Amino acid sequence: KNEVEQSPQNLTAQEGEFITINCSYSVGISALHWLQQHPGGGIVSLFMLSSGKKKHGRLIATINIQEKHSSLHITASHPRDSAVYICAVMEYGNKLVFGAGTILRVKS
Amino acid sequence: EAQVTQNPRYLITVTGKKLTVTCSQNMNHEYMSWYRQDPGLGLRQIYYSMNVEVTDKGDVPEGYKVSRKEKRNFPLILESPSPNQTSLYFCASRGVQPTGANVLTFGAGSRLTVL
Repeated sequence: KNEVEQSPQNLTAQEGEFITINCSYSVGISALHWLQQHPGGGIVSLFMLSSGKKKHGRLIATINIQEKHSSLHITASHPRDSAVYICAVMEYGNKLVFGAGTILRVKS
Repeated sequence: EAQVTQNPRYLITVTGKKLTVTCSQNMNHEYMSWYRQDPGLGLRQIYYSMNVEVTDKGDVPEGYKVSRKEKRNFPLILESPSPNQTSLYFCASRGVQPTGANVLTFGAGSRLTVL
């Protein structure tokens, strides 16, 4: 069993829809990252969370430390949001472990 | 501009020919790390460094070496590359921005092919 599980693996949405991507992990962590990778490969860090909730524009990330679960929400989705979204957990000791990623396609 | 710079971006080499992928950051970050990304396996951490002269193994360190002699540089060394090291490599650094936000910044990636 992977230490970091993401769901769904693939997601197709219509423009404007509300999107949720989930991440569950099995180890103790000091922080959790949500990353975005567009076709062509560049990786951008969207959020780093250790508790609670963060918001940036149309993106919202939440984490529940007790339940070992985090969600990434995209409100009013747009085709430019199409990308791979990756959850990564920072274990105590600063090792970073990645989920397999969620491939999101937003259709206009 | 705050950034992580990797070189080369693309490299084709042959088995056994030593190579170094450089990584440099201009944000005075203490934490730096290397990852490889492979189809079906996702991103995996190779090595990381919490500060100068401090390095630790990640999940897949075999066949790689790193050094951290200065804060800004964290080169990845393949002493004797093999075809199973053909991959897309990313360097990243992490630190606190002037805004107070803790961010992880990735380089653009280096695509390495070992024949």
